[in-house]
Formats: sequence, C-alpha cells, structure tokens
Amino acid sequence: EAQVTQNPRYLITVTGKKLTVTCSQNMNHEYMSWYRQDPGLGLRQIYYSMNVEVTDKGDVPEGYKVSRKEKRNFPLILESPSPNQTSLYFCASSFLQGNNEQFFGPGTRLTVL
Amino acid sequence: SQKIEQNSEALNIQEGKTATLTCNYTNYSPAYLQWYRQDPGRGPVFLLLIRENEKEKRKERLKVTFDTTLKQSLFHITASQPADSATYLCALDMGTGGFKTIFGAGTRLFVKA
Repeated sequence: EAQVTQNPRYLITVTGKKLTVTCSQNMNHEYMSWYRQDPGLGLRQIYYSMNVEVTDKGDVPEGYKVSRKEKRNFPLILESPSPNQTSLYFCASSFLQGNNEQFFGPGTRLTVL
Repeated sequence: SQKIEQNSEALNIQEGKTATLTCNYTNYSPAYLQWYRQDPGRGPVFLLLIRENEKEKRKERLKVTFDTTLKQSLFHITASQPADSATYLCALDMGTGGFKTIFGAGTRLFVKA
C-alpha cells in the first residue's frame, strides 16, 4: 500500500530533550516536506527536500533540523524542544512532476512541557 | 509576502445544495493552486489542482475556478452530502522556483441531512 508513515504518532516530552520524528514514504517520491498545524494558523511549512541531500527552509524553520540521506526517509529533529513547538506535525511527499499532489502522513501530535 | 485567506467561519449548508468555498491570495499569482480535504485527526488529502492558465477544473461533483485578476479561487461541491463535511484547505506555490508551499487555514464545511 502506497503510504507515508510517521513515528511516533503521539509524544509528550520536556523542554530541552532532543527528539526525532521519523517520516518514511514508499512511493519513490523525490519531494518530501514537513509541516506543523496549529489552530487558526493552518499548515505551515518547516522544511522541504527536493531530492537526496537537497533540503531547504520553509516558512518556520527555526528550532528544527532535517536530513535527507535516503530518498524514502526525511526525519525531523528538534535539538532542544520548547513549549512553542507543541503542535501537530505532518510529513508529506510527492513527485516533482505532474499535479504535485502531496501525500500526507497521519500526523504526530507533540507536546513539550 | 504571499498570504492566503480562507473564510475562517464554518459553512453550514443543507444536503443537496451546492457548497462554495473561497480562497483569496495576495501579491503575485501562483503557478498553480491546489485544494485538499482534511478530516479531524487526519492528514490532508489532495482533491484538485488548477494551473494559472486554466480557468476551471472539474472532477465528479467538484469544480474549481481560478481568477488571477481577482486573485481568487472558488471551490464548489455540487449535490453536497453529509459525507462531504470536513475542512477544505487551499494551497499554492510560493513562486520561488523551488517547491515552497503555503496553505490557507481552511474552511470547515458542515452538510446537514
């Protein structure tokens, strides 16, 4: 089944404790992206990647890191999480051609205390 | 910078009627505009894409229009059903030549039986 998977789905952590949210897709997509969704603000893009070893900042990259060492994986790293990073996070992927339809993962709900 | 405005108030309509949702953007016209559906607790699901040189696109009961003069896209669901109840997001590219995407905050649609 074609899908984007994220882990963990739910995470409660404390300020300053480094964490990684994994994202994997099995559709051979070149493009992958991370978003956060907050009430009233909609989806905001954190980072995106157009291919292996190619990443770029979205609208809200501060406090986040990403890497793209393999085509299928695009982990999101929070080196020192803070309470303002409490949010619902989505990973997405797509081909670079065609209608650029983005396939989204199920989301990761992160709470930073 | 580019911004998207969607009606933040929920839209309530009767089953069988046509629902019309609005997406307005500022500044430059994007190369394309997309519409997604999001159900509570789930990731967005792609519905339609319309390019800047297209006035209208249809898919089953869905119709999207794109008016670059008004800087607006309209999303129509004809013969609406209670199963159409969801949040609808519009998204557009940032026009940076890369793959930066911005999303509107979405409009919640309720279809009453």
